[in-house]
Amino acid sequence: AQSVTQLDSHVSVSEGTPVLLRCNYSSSYSPSLFWYVQHPNKGLQLLLKYTSAATLVKGINGFEAEFKKSETSFHLTKPSAHMSDAAEYFCVVSDKSSGGTSYGKLTFGQGTILTVHP
Amino acid sequence: DTEVTQTPKHLVMGMTNKKSLKCEQHMGHRAMYWYKQKAKKPPELMFVYSYEKLSINESVPSRFSPECPNSSLLNLHLHALQPEDSALYLCASSSRLVSGNEQFFGPGTRLTVL
Repeated sequence: AQSVTQLDSHVSVSEGTPVLLRCNYSSSYSPSLFWYVQHPNKGLQLLLKYTSAATLVKGINGFEAEFKKSETSFHLTKPSAHMSDAAEYFCVVSDKSSGGTSYGKLTFGQGTILTVHP
Repeated sequence: DTEVTQTPKHLVMGMTNKKSLKCEQHMGHRAMYWYKQKAKKPPELMFVYSYEKLSINESVPSRFSPECPNSSLLNLHLHALQPEDSALYLCASSSRLVSGNEQFFGPGTRLTVL
């Protein structure tokens, strides 16, 4: 079984300060992990993905995430927030299993709303 | 072309109406998905098509009827919907129905049922 917990429902930062969005996962198999961003009334955009290559993953718009197997975490960071980063962020897991009820499915966290103050 | 398109962007319908949502991708992807997203919630999977065949139906009520006429096109036919069906409907695609593949999402159709 796979599951995702996003530890903060809301995060508020000032423009130019670092961003940290926290995610813990549970997976029975070697997982693929993703971060998606959703701006208001828009679809989801893939920010980055981890698929068992390098543990530090770089994504678009200056975001990166580090896969830590020992901590079952995949936290999203950005050194300096921009106003345009204000959105909802979803941490997503997909088991790389060969079968089971979760095969081919994405499991979403509940989302973290990021607010950026001027 | 690396995008998933959806039409219409907005749809308002009565409970007795019949309408359809359309989704299109030209990335050569062979898996396509319908999701329903309520406000302040993550997307919920409804249907999955793989190679134009229905692979997953997440116990969705029969008033939602999916159709995959070809490898690029996915429709969702709506009939006798309820007000609680009002939501953002998202389409997504991936190269194959394989665990671990990322999905690419369209902008969604905002559906309001009166």
